[in-house]
Amino acid sequence: AQSVAQPEDQVNVAEGNPLTVKCTYSVSGNPYLFWYVQYPNRGLQFLLKYITGDNLVKGSYGFEAEFNKSQTSFHLKKPSALVSDSALYFCAVRVTTSGTYKYIFGTGTRLKVLA
Amino acid sequence: GAVVSQHPSRVICKSGTSVKIECRSLDFQATTMFWYRQFPKQSLMLMATSNEGSKATYEQGVEKDKFLINHASLTLSTLTVTSAHPEDSSFYICSAGGSISHHIQYFGAGTRLSVL
Repeated sequence: AQSVAQPEDQVNVAEGNPLTVKCTYSVSGNPYLFWYVQYPNRGLQFLLKYITGDNLVKGSYGFEAEFNKSQTSFHLKKPSALVSDSALYFCAVRVTTSGTYKYIFGTGTRLKVLA
Repeated sequence: GAVVSQHPSRVICKSGTSVKIECRSLDFQATTMFWYRQFPKQSLMLMATSNEGSKATYEQGVEKDKFLINHASLTLSTLTVTSAHPEDSSFYICSAGGSISHHIQYFGAGTRLSVL
């Protein structure tokens, strides 16, 4: 079955420290991978994506993610965390079945950046 | 970036009534829109894929007669929760992405439904 896993429910990091939010996937074929962020009572906002090309992708608000095919991972990173980065982060993969597509989301990781 | 507008943001209704939620792509055309349900502190659960001009595709376990989806134009999809019950109370989110979006989905702000 095609799936996305975010093994950590919550990640705590001190402001100014680097952060990593983990994501692994299981899909057939070449994956289209995404990270989204959700603030309280808001819809999701796109952060970055990997479709093809360079394994290191850069996105909004200083975030980046590295596609690792051998480890089937797409971890989200930021060199220096801000308190305002505190939010719920979702990893997602686009899957195609019988000519149609949909997105599968991980369970989300709550990031808490401590001042 | 592209904007998806979802309305209403919050609705409270009595048990047994129907509620309609609208999802509009404001500055792009969307042949496909998605409807999700999000429970507290949980992930997004895909309910259905809304296809312009054709029937929606529902995920397994989602009652199509209870959650009616209409995608009458390239910019509007509606989700109607029929005969709502307290267990339907949830946060409903739509997303859309057309050919311009390069696989990115743009999300509405969500609708908080509370059924009394």
